[in-house]
Amino acid sequence: EAQVTQNPRYLITVTGKKLTVTCSQNMNHEYMSWYRQDPGLGLRQIYYSMNVEVTDKGDVPEGYKVSRKEKRNFPLILESPSPNQTSLYFCAIQGGLYEQYFGPGTRLTVT
Amino acid sequence: AQSVAQPEDQVNVAEGNPLTVKCTYSVSGNPYLFWYVQYPNRGLQFLLKYITGDNLVKGSYGFEAEFNKSQTSFHLKKPSALVSDSALYFCAVRALYNTDKLIFGTGTRLQVFP
Repeated sequence: EAQVTQNPRYLITVTGKKLTVTCSQNMNHEYMSWYRQDPGLGLRQIYYSMNVEVTDKGDVPEGYKVSRKEKRNFPLILESPSPNQTSLYFCAIQGGLYEQYFGPGTRLTVT
Repeated sequence: AQSVAQPEDQVNVAEGNPLTVKCTYSVSGNPYLFWYVQYPNRGLQFLLKYITGDNLVKGSYGFEAEFNKSQTSFHLKKPSALVSDSALYFCAVRALYNTDKLIFGTGTRLQVFP
């Protein structure tokens, strides 16, 4: 069964302090992506990666970076977090037959 | 532009009654449609999908959804609601470009009362 892990699950930080949210998968899937969930807006894609060293912007990439140096890991980096990045973040992988499997989420608060 | 609409922020239903959570979509071409459920403090769980074939799709936990091309709808249904079905439900469509991106609706909170 596909498993996606994220760390940390909860994070409170201050404006401008760089942070990284890790995402790891155990199934060697090529496609990984990051979404943020905000009330009344649903989930929106931040970045995605089709394979190692192949990443591209989603719908709301401003203020975020990603890297894909190895297939299993896809960290989300906030170089200088701001309060408008307070959100619930999900990492996802693309399984077979088009379903996506989501990690447990990371709740980020930027004060 | 592709989009998904969930017109109800919340749906309330009594336990044992049938439930419907509505979803309409706007895409060019044939849509790939999905339903996900989010329980409190949990990630999203895949419920069911429509890719092609029968318009009535059966999924996890007794849920089903009906694809209606003429009405561009993909409503989620269950014949008999359980209190444990109370959760946040998201409808999504697969984007035609960036073909693995999901475009989500805003979510519908289902509350099942005992």
